[in-house]
Amino acid sequence: GAVVSQHPSWVICKSGTSVKIECRSLDFQATTMFWYRQFPKQSLMLMATSNEGSKATYEQGVEKDKFLINHASLTLSTLTVTSAHPEDSSFYICSARALSQGQETQYFGPGTRLLVL
Amino acid sequence: QKEVEQDPGPLSVPEGAIVSLNCTYSNSAFQYFMWYRQYSRKGPELLMYTYSSGNKEDGRFTAQVDKSSKYISLFIRDSQPSDSATYLCAMSAGGGNKLTFGTGTQLKVEL
Repeated sequence: GAVVSQHPSWVICKSGTSVKIECRSLDFQATTMFWYRQFPKQSLMLMATSNEGSKATYEQGVEKDKFLINHASLTLSTLTVTSAHPEDSSFYICSARALSQGQETQYFGPGTRLLVL
Repeated sequence: QKEVEQDPGPLSVPEGAIVSLNCTYSNSAFQYFMWYRQYSRKGPELLMYTYSSGNKEDGRFTAQVDKSSKYISLFIRDSQPSDSATYLCAMSAGGGNKLTFGTGTQLKVEL
């Protein structure tokens, strides 16, 4: 099956610093990746859609200058949380769109837990 | 009103029980329906994928979609303690495009 990895799995940083999270498709190429955020006991909320070689499409209410997304290759997308604040502490999960058994769907990474002090 | 409604639980059942998990939705454009399983502090894992109405079975899992009622279900037969997780329904208008998730139902299967 399609495997997606994320790095780091968890990170603690000071308020005001920037944090970069990587999302990789390990055994397939993904022209489209998605970034989600999940707060405790809540569902996944889509932040942005990342397309290889073009600008990301952000959901309403998500600040594009704060959450920088780069999808420079078919296997890697990065999310940079700039000037992080405690309210940015959350579980960030990426997914990659893949075709499997004739079905196109999303396969998720293991997530990155961010804690901003 | 949310586009996708799902009872958050928690739902506690004895080992071996049949579990029924459900979601309702309001957007008639949804054509693709998925169930994901998420263990604590992990990413979601795709369990079932269904296009349009009908049933799909995979081992102990059965997914049902009733588009006329805008209602989808996931049944787990012979539930095991290892099935204890949060189950998320998700749907989209176009396959691997933007997914809309339910809030997830927390399931605990007890010995």
